[in-house]
Amino acid sequence: DVVMTQSPESLAVPLGERATINCRSSQRILSSVNNRDYLAWYQQKPGQPPKLLIFWASTRESGVPDRFSGSGSGTDFTLSISSLEAEDVAVYYCQQYFSSPLTFGGGTRVEIK
Amino acid sequence: QVQLEQSGAEVKRPGSSVRISCKVHGSPLNNYAFTWLRQTPGQGLEWLGGIVPIVDRSNTAQHLRTRITITADKSTRTVYMELNGLTSEDAAIYYCARDRPSGNSPFFDYWGRGTLITVSS
Repeated sequence: DVVMTQSPESLAVPLGERATINCRSSQRILSSVNNRDYLAWYQQKPGQPPKLLIFWASTRESGVPDRFSGSGSGTDFTLSISSLEAEDVAVYYCQQYFSSPLTFGGGTRVEIK
Repeated sequence: QVQLEQSGAEVKRPGSSVRISCKVHGSPLNNYAFTWLRQTPGQGLEWLGGIVPIVDRSNTAQHLRTRITITADKSTRTVYMELNGLTSEDAAIYYCARDRPSGNSPFFDYWGRGTLITVSS
């Protein structure tokens, strides 16, 4: 199975500042067939299910604010929130869908400092 | 508007079975696959398995294969997940989700609100 490791486990960022979350896969999740990284990012607020933010490592889902961006390739990926807003307080998860079983990172909790 | 309506929370005895339903609103059932996942504080998010209703083909996690059954009723637009032989380790919030196909494993664009399963004697 592909192990997904997120860091940090939690971070506190002042409103308006940048938040950066890292995700590393134990194997490359970049396809040599289509040159795409099979990585998604989700946001989960308390009492709610996860919400899709980013797929193909950097494609923003429809309706997701452009302050959210994804980057990286191969085994190392980053989710950035360019200017943190109060509504962004949540736990963020990465997920690989390159191989079965699909697997998730352990989550990163983002709070306001 | 796509909504996945899950059945309510349940308390189950160890060794018993649970069946959770997920009624699909606003999405053509035959155009998509649907997946079951669960979430616990200790194990995080875990993929359990999925089904392609149009061909009635399911795929489940290896370590649950003897205990889990995933089915779909196209007439009622409902997907089901049944888990047998419950232990305390099966206590979790169970989610159904709609697959966004990728060519490999899926990612998920719509989720149900979750069903809390408590296992207690």
